[in-house]
Amino acid sequence: DAGVTQSPTHLIKTRGQQVTLRCSPKSGHDTVSWYQQALGQGPQFIFQYYEEEERQRGNFPDRFSGHQFPNYSSELNVNALLLGDSALYLCASSLPPGLEQYFGPGTRLTVT
Amino acid sequence: AQSVAQPEDQVNVAEGNPLTVKCTYSVSGNPYLFWYVQYPNRGLQFLLKYITGDNLVKGSYGFEAEFNKSQTSFHLKKPSALVSDSALYFCAVRPRSGSARQLTFGSGTQLTV
Repeated sequence: DAGVTQSPTHLIKTRGQQVTLRCSPKSGHDTVSWYQQALGQGPQFIFQYYEEEERQRGNFPDRFSGHQFPNYSSELNVNALLLGDSALYLCASSLPPGLEQYFGPGTRLTVT
Repeated sequence: AQSVAQPEDQVNVAEGNPLTVKCTYSVSGNPYLFWYVQYPNRGLQFLLKYITGDNLVKGSYGFEAEFNKSQTSFHLKKPSALVSDSALYFCAVRPRSGSARQLTFGSGTQLTV
């Protein structure tokens, strides 16, 4: 049974560029949540997708957007990258009501 | 708004000794409570959750957590620590109702055994 997978593992971008991160949920899961984990901090909720729609959103600017596909996989897009966007981006999948979330290994984004 | 506090950045314990990692929370109503563990360069792994019922929750790898409503705490415990328990531990909270039903994490506690 495949767990949550994320790609790429690492990514280096320049300020002002755009980036797309990808996530495949655990088999059977239909809800995907994205988190940003800055160095030395706990994960912060970005948004959650269910039935291809954004259902909840944390305190992140509109530069952060996402998408969920019919097969439940998801993308996180970040536009106009800032140095402060450097972090580990975690994807988590679950079944409603999302009481037990399964996390992927994350994508380490470095913005220079 | 909900918040989680993990007052200790670092906890050191000798192998075989009991361990406690502290967590307090602030959220309206009775929340769902969680503990996750993170190993280096890895995602978070679910340890245990409190939904309702018995205040002592048992989870994976011999860990347990005690819910204390009056003190709004959810401390993680293990009777006998192993070297392999060394990792970063996160407490998280989620409200049972309302529009903002996402997980809110604490800042983490580095456990060294």
